[in-house]
Amino acid sequence: KQEVTQIPAALSVPEGENLVLNCSFTDSAIYNLQWFRQDPGKGLTSLLLIQSSQREQTSGRLNASLDKSSGRSTLYIAASQPGDSATYLCAAMNYGGATNKLIFGTGTLLAVQP
Amino acid sequence: GAGVSQSPSNKVTEKGKDVELRCDPISGHTALYWYRQSLGQGLEFLIYFQGNSAPDKSGLPSDRFSAERTGGSVSTLTIQRTQQEDSAVYLCASSLRSGRYSNQPQHFGDGTRLSIL
Repeated sequence: KQEVTQIPAALSVPEGENLVLNCSFTDSAIYNLQWFRQDPGKGLTSLLLIQSSQREQTSGRLNASLDKSSGRSTLYIAASQPGDSATYLCAAMNYGGATNKLIFGTGTLLAVQP
Repeated sequence: GAGVSQSPSNKVTEKGKDVELRCDPISGHTALYWYRQSLGQGLEFLIYFQGNSAPDKSGLPSDRFSAERTGGSVSTLTIQRTQQEDSAVYLCASSLRSGRYSNQPQHFGDGTRLSIL
């Protein structure tokens, strides 16, 4: 059974700092791994999707990496801004079954201080 | 600009009542998912639709929960005889899909916050 863990649970940084969020998964037979952000009272916004054959994906100031052998993914945020403050969730999609369901981590609550 | 639309945004009801939650996916998205987000359990998968059929209902927590999708579009999640532990945010997502697995990202609505008194 896939289990996804995120560390740290909460993080506070000053504006402008580069930061890394961590995601670990127990079953390496993943089809892809996705990173989302969630603002208070809102749904999830898809940030990056890394296919199992890929090592990383980049979008603007965001870079996500994937290492299936070690069961880890990281989300790197460069030059953080107060608008980056949100909860960041990673989710794994596994092979098997009849669905594309996502298994979510518990999230990292990020606060970027101006 | 049509994203995933969910209604109502908030629902407060008494224990024992039935509730219906609605999801209107992005036009053209054939795959639709329901998830539940609660403080104790995080974000959990409930059910998946491909078109009008539900090949995976494995996440529904009890037989009080059911869902349907009509016309390959709107979906309704129904909870009968609600209990306090049903209190959570119910999120709907949709995606384009081809084949058994998909690298199409899932697009989420803002959810329905359900409170059972």
